[in-house]
Amino acid sequence: AQSVTQPDIHITVSEGASLELRCNYSYGATPYLFWYVQSPGQGLQLLLKYFSGDTLVQGIKGFEAEFKRSQSSFNLRKPSVHWSDAAEYFCAVVDIKAAGNKLTFGGGTRVLVKP
Amino acid sequence: NAGVTQTPKFQVLKTGQSMTLQCAQDMNHNSMYWYRQDPGMGLRLIYYSASEGTTDKGEVPNGYNVSRLNKREFSLRLESAAPSQTSVYFCASSERGTGAEQYFGPGTRLTVT
Repeated sequence: AQSVTQPDIHITVSEGASLELRCNYSYGATPYLFWYVQSPGQGLQLLLKYFSGDTLVQGIKGFEAEFKRSQSSFNLRKPSVHWSDAAEYFCAVVDIKAAGNKLTFGGGTRVLVKP
Repeated sequence: NAGVTQTPKFQVLKTGQSMTLQCAQDMNHNSMYWYRQDPGMGLRLIYYSASEGTTDKGEVPNGYNVSRLNKREFSLRLESAAPSQTSVYFCASSERGTGAEQYFGPGTRLTVT
C-alpha cells in the first residue's frame, strides 16, 4: 500500500523568506501526487498536482513542486512567503492501480509566518 | 455555485448517541468521499462513492455507514458514537477518474463525550 510522509510537523518562516516543505512517498509505480493547503477553519484547496512529464510543476499562489523519482520526494517550494500563506499543507498520493480515485495523505505541515 | 456544503458545522454528542452528517455538491460530480482529520494523521478516507448507487469502504470505515442519496448528496451516519470518533469530518467530490481533483467542503467538527 502507498504511504506519504511529511517529516516536518511545524515550520516557522519570516515573511519574505523562502519556504520548502518536504514530502516523501512510498509507491511501486509512477505516482499521481498532490499538494493541498488548508487555511484555518477551512476545507482543503488543491495547490498543484503531478502526473507525468515535466518534473517541476507550477501551482496556484506562487507555489511550485519538484518530483524526484530517485529520492521518492515531491517537495513544495515558494520563493517569498506572504503572511496569508500561514496554513497547513498536505501532500497526497493516488493509487492509480485501485478503483475510486482514493487519496492517501501525509500527516501535514503547519506553517507559521513571522512578520 | 456553492461547491461542497456540509451540515452541521459543529456537533457535540454523548457516547452512544447517533447522528447523520450531511453533504451536498452542486458541481454534477460523480464521485464523493468522506474523510476524517485527526492531528498529525492527515486525512483518512472513511467511505467513498465512485458513482451514484455505489459505496465502498475506505481506510477507516468501522463505526460508520454511508448513503448516496442521489448524485448530489452523500451522508455519513454514526449509529453509536464513541469518543474515538471525535474528529473533524470532511466531505469531498470529484469527477470520475483517477487523479481527478477533489473539492472539499468546510468540515464538521464533532466532539463525542
